[in-house]
Amino acid sequence: EAGVAQSPRYKIIEKRQSVAFWCNPISGHATLYWYQQILGQGPKLLIQFQNNGVVDDSQLPKDRFSAERLKGVDSTLKIQPAKLEDSAVYLCASSFDGLAGLYNEQFFGPGTRLTVL
Amino acid sequence: AQKVTQAQTEISVVEKEDVTLDCVYETRDTTYYLFWYKQPPSGELVFLIRRNSFDEQNEISGRYSWNFQKSTSSFNFTITASQVVDSAVYFCALSGNNAGNMLTFGGGTRLMVKP
Repeated sequence: EAGVAQSPRYKIIEKRQSVAFWCNPISGHATLYWYQQILGQGPKLLIQFQNNGVVDDSQLPKDRFSAERLKGVDSTLKIQPAKLEDSAVYLCASSFDGLAGLYNEQFFGPGTRLTVL
Repeated sequence: AQKVTQAQTEISVVEKEDVTLDCVYETRDTTYYLFWYKQPPSGELVFLIRRNSFDEQNEISGRYSWNFQKSTSSFNFTITASQVVDSAVYFCALSGNNAGNMLTFGGGTRLMVKP
C-alpha cells in the first residue's frame, strides 16, 4: 500500500513570495490533515479535511494560508505572502475516517521543508 | 483544551543503557488516545504505539515498553538496552474523543545514543 505522498520535499523562497505544497493521501482515506512543525517543536495542526469539507481550521493563519481539497482526494496548502516565521516542515497526514469518538490512526507523509529567506 | 508536556528536551545515553522518556498530558475528554511517534533525521513521523484511556495495562514490544498511569496523567516510554539507531526525536501525542481525531503533540525529546 502506498503511503502519503508530498511534494516538493524542499523549498526555498524569499519572504513575500508565494509557495504551494501538494499532498496525496493514502487511497480511501477520507480525512486529511496539514501540520506545521517548526524546528525544535512538535507538529501543530493547521487544518483538517473530512472528504472535501473543512472540519477544523482554527489554527490556520487565514490572512496568508489557504488550503483546499476540491475532489476529496489530493490537497494543496498555499502560503501567500510568506514570512520568515513560516520556515518549517509542513506535514500531511491521512486517516481512514476522522469522526469524533472513532479513532483512526493517522499516517504521515515525509513532509516539505520550507525555508523562507 | 488539550496539552502534552515532555519536560526532557534532550537526553544523551551510552549504548546499552536503559532510558525513559516522560510524557504528561491534560485533557477534559473522558475517552482519549495516547501515542508515541519517532522522528528520525529523515523527518518522517513513525508511529510506535497507541493506547486507549480505558486500557491502563503496560505494554512491551521488544526493547520498548510503555507505562500508562491515569492517576498521574502520564504515559512514559522506556527503551531497554538502547542502540545507536534509537537516536531520534520522540513525540508523545494525545487525541480526545471530542477533538475530531486531532492530535496534540508534545514538544518532543531528542534522544542521542552514543556508541
